[in-house]
Amino acid sequence: GIQVEQSPPDLILQEGANSTLRCNFSDSVNNLQWFHQNPWGQLINLFYIPSGTKQNGRLSATTVATERYSLLYISSSQTTDSGVYFCAGTTQGGSEKLVFGKGTKLTVNP
Amino acid sequence: GAVVSQHPSWVICKSGTSVKIECRSLDFQATTMFWYRQFPKQSLMLMATSNEGSKATYEQGVEKDKFLINHASLTLSTLTVTSAHPEDSSFYICSASSDTLTYEQYFGPGTRLTVT
Repeated sequence: GIQVEQSPPDLILQEGANSTLRCNFSDSVNNLQWFHQNPWGQLINLFYIPSGTKQNGRLSATTVATERYSLLYISSSQTTDSGVYFCAGTTQGGSEKLVFGKGTKLTVNP
Repeated sequence: GAVVSQHPSWVICKSGTSVKIECRSLDFQATTMFWYRQFPKQSLMLMATSNEGSKATYEQGVEKDKFLINHASLTLSTLTVTSAHPEDSSFYICSASSDTLTYEQYFGPGTRLTVT
């Protein structure tokens, strides 16, 4: 099956800093999603982004499907951004199963 | 929109007993529901996929007789952990999908199971 690599595994920022999280796929994926898992365990949908660029407030994401990677940008980070960020995608061939990366743990200090 | 609930949010049970976890899509009809397990500081591991009215499809290595999944309606799926043991203690998360084009999944808040 496909492998999903996320980097960096851990990231510590001061409030107000910007960051870029990366997700690499070993093979082509469809239906790429980014999630934020908050400290209570809830996964929150950030972006559904199979290709192209999307922005939502301080967050934006870009997926370059032909090069098998996706980036999540967080600008002006806040303490509430802390948590684990996961990317996941479905494999080609019509599978609806999401394959997850191991996540990036983000800590934003005040 | 696209809200998924889980109940209970946490449960403690004794070894040998069974526990049922409910997953509901509150504002949409879910053609497919998924059950995941997450160990501390690890990623999500897919346990099974279920479609309304049909048997669940379990991932390799997941005991279907231990983790019973029922998808009774387009808004409700249940996971029953039978004859629970301490090693079944974990964080269980469900998700639901209604879009057969994008397969975008929406996640419940999770259920923390502790077996004593």
